[in-house]
Amino acid sequence: DTGVSQDPRHKITKRGQNVTFRCDPISEHNRLYWYRQTLGQGPEFLTYFQNEAQLEKSRLLSDRFSAERPKGSFSTLEIQRTEQGDSAMYLCASSLEPLAGGLEQYFGPGTRLTVT
Amino acid sequence: AQKVTQAQTEISVVEKEDVTLDCVYETRDTTYYLFWYKQPPSGELVFLIRRNSFDEQNEISGRYSWNFQKSTSSFNFTITASQVVDSAVYFCALSEAIPGGGKLIFGQGTELSVKP
Repeated sequence: DTGVSQDPRHKITKRGQNVTFRCDPISEHNRLYWYRQTLGQGPEFLTYFQNEAQLEKSRLLSDRFSAERPKGSFSTLEIQRTEQGDSAMYLCASSLEPLAGGLEQYFGPGTRLTVT
Repeated sequence: AQKVTQAQTEISVVEKEDVTLDCVYETRDTTYYLFWYKQPPSGELVFLIRRNSFDEQNEISGRYSWNFQKSTSSFNFTITASQVVDSAVYFCALSEAIPGGGKLIFGQGTELSVKP
C-alpha cells in the first residue's frame, strides 16, 4: 500500500491527557498537511510542512497543539491537555511540491479522537 | 478571505437520476485552484478533479462532469445516471495560487444519497 497512512485509526482519551498521532505520507511527496474534521463539517486546515519545515499554522492551532516532521518523512501531531472540544477526525494529506505540479492532495484514512 | 459555500446540505435521488451539486467560492486571488473530493461512508477523502482558474473548459469523465463559471464564481458537479455507489459526502475546495498556496479551504459538503 503506497497511500497515506495514519496511526492510530481511533483514540479514546480522558480530558487532560496528551495524545500523539502519526502520519506517513506517500513516499515521494515532500508536502504534508494536517486537517481537522468535525461531524457534518468540511475539513479545516491546521498546518503544513514542506520537507521538515513547518510553513504555515492556522489560528485554529492553539498552543496545546504541536506538529513535527523531523526528517521530512513522517509527521506527528501532539495535543496536550486534551479538551472535549478536541474530539474530531484528524486528517493527514500529502502532495508533491506545487511548483512541481503537486496541486492535488491525497488523504489518509484519518485518526478519530474521542475525548471523554 | 477565501470561502467555499455548498448550499445543499443533503440531496436524495433515485438511482439513474441526474444530480448536480452546487459550489460557490469567494477569493481575491486572480489565480487559484478548485477541487472536488468524495468522502464515502468509509471516511477517506478521495480526489476527483482539479480545475485551474485560468482554464474555464468544462470537463467530463465518464458519468461525472464539471461546470466552471468564473463569472458567477461557481464550480458545479453533475453526476449523470447516478448509482448507489455514488452515495457519499462531496466536498468542493479552493486553494490559493502557488508558490505560497497549498492549503485547501473546504465547503461544508453535500451528502448525496442515491436510493435503488
